[in-house]
Amino acid sequence: KQEVTQIPAALSVPEGENLVLNCSFTDSAIYNLQWFRQDPGKGLTSLLLIQSSQREQTSGRLNASLDKSSGRSTLYIAASQPGDSATYLCAALYNQGGKLIFGQGTELSVKP
Amino acid sequence: DTGVSQNPRHKITKRGQNVTFRCDPISEHNRLYWYRQTLGQGPEFLTYFQNEAQLEKSRLLSDRFSAERPKGSFSTLEIQRTEQGDSAMYLCASSPRWDGADGYTFGSGTRLTVV
Repeated sequence: KQEVTQIPAALSVPEGENLVLNCSFTDSAIYNLQWFRQDPGKGLTSLLLIQSSQREQTSGRLNASLDKSSGRSTLYIAASQPGDSATYLCAALYNQGGKLIFGQGTELSVKP
Repeated sequence: DTGVSQNPRHKITKRGQNVTFRCDPISEHNRLYWYRQTLGQGPEFLTYFQNEAQLEKSRLLSDRFSAERPKGSFSTLEIQRTEQGDSAMYLCASSPRWDGADGYTFGSGTRLTVV
């Protein structure tokens, strides 16, 4: 069964800290993996998309990596800010154009 | 391009009533997806369309749920005889490519509360 897991469920850090969010997937035959941000009561905002042939993607203070052999992806946030507080979700795509399989999310709180 | 649009943003309904949600994808996006998200969980897949054709339905989509995309543009999701367990955020997404290689764009969702 194809499953995606995110641990921890919640994380609290002081402002300015660099942090890593983890995403694990059970099936390495991934097509691509997408990281999203979700603010309370809102929809999903796409942050980064990594194709199966790529090892990492960067956007500003965000860097996402993909290691298919170990079934892991990480989202690195540099110099965290209170505005980064949100829930971060990773989603794996196995079948081209098909359904995304989501993790449960990590709720991040960055304290001033 | 205003992104994926969902209406209404919030819906409160009494148990047993029917509700319908609408999703307008990004123009020229052929693929359209519906997901459901309950509190503290990641979104769960419900169904998706390629143009007007419904290609896959989740087992979560009971016979009380129906989705349509009649002209291959906007889509509607109807829930008949709502139950309290239907309370959730309903999310719509669209994709420009058939294979999902450019990722999926989500709307702001419709929050359903069944009382």
